[in-house]
Amino acid sequence: NAGVTQTPKFRILKIGQSMTLQCTQDMNHNYMYWYRQDPGMGLKLIYYSVGAGITDKGEVPNGYNVSRSTTEDFPLRLELAAPSQTSVYFCASRQGPTGGSGSYNSPLHFGNGTRLTVT
Amino acid sequence: AQSVTQLDSHVSVSEGTPVLLRCNYSSSYSPSLFWYVQHPNKGLQLLLKYTSAATLVKGINGFEAEFKKSETSFHLTKPSAHMSDAAEYFCVVSDGGGFKTIFGAGTRLFVKA
Repeated sequence: NAGVTQTPKFRILKIGQSMTLQCTQDMNHNYMYWYRQDPGMGLKLIYYSVGAGITDKGEVPNGYNVSRSTTEDFPLRLELAAPSQTSVYFCASRQGPTGGSGSYNSPLHFGNGTRLTVT
Repeated sequence: AQSVTQLDSHVSVSEGTPVLLRCNYSSSYSPSLFWYVQHPNKGLQLLLKYTSAATLVKGINGFEAEFKKSETSFHLTKPSAHMSDAAEYFCVVSDGGGFKTIFGAGTRLFVKA
């Protein structure tokens, strides 16, 4: 049972470099999320997606881009890395509403995180 | 739009004493509410979720939370703290459609021997 898989686990970037954080899930969840967690802080929502081809901004989207071409994959792109983007990034997925009871209360399934340092 | 406020950034209790972690929320719709726990350098684990079937929700490891609509609160409690409960706890709210899912800033629980 792979669940939510994030790669890489660690990465160091220089200012101005770009990279893509990969996230894939094998649970056929239609909702996927990207969060960042700064030291000693809670998780801030960057972007989310409610299905293939549909994405929307969260609380802190500036400096990031996402795409959702398939149900399984939800990559996060940093175009011009800045020190302020040093953080731990978590991808998560959940089953969205299916019409059944409790469908709005499905829990988030998290990946193990990507620790990114920008210097 | 929804938001969530955890009223205490740190809570310190002695082992064997009750735990209370406070959470207030706002939501334009009937919210979905959750508590997650994060142990140091570990991932996030679901403690419990509010399903609207009952206002008192029981979770894992002896934790429970009570949904109070009139107070827009979803406080987390445990009758007797254990050393292994020391961790960061997050209150989470989803809007009615389950789209945006927002985390509180977290409450760090310290348990003294």
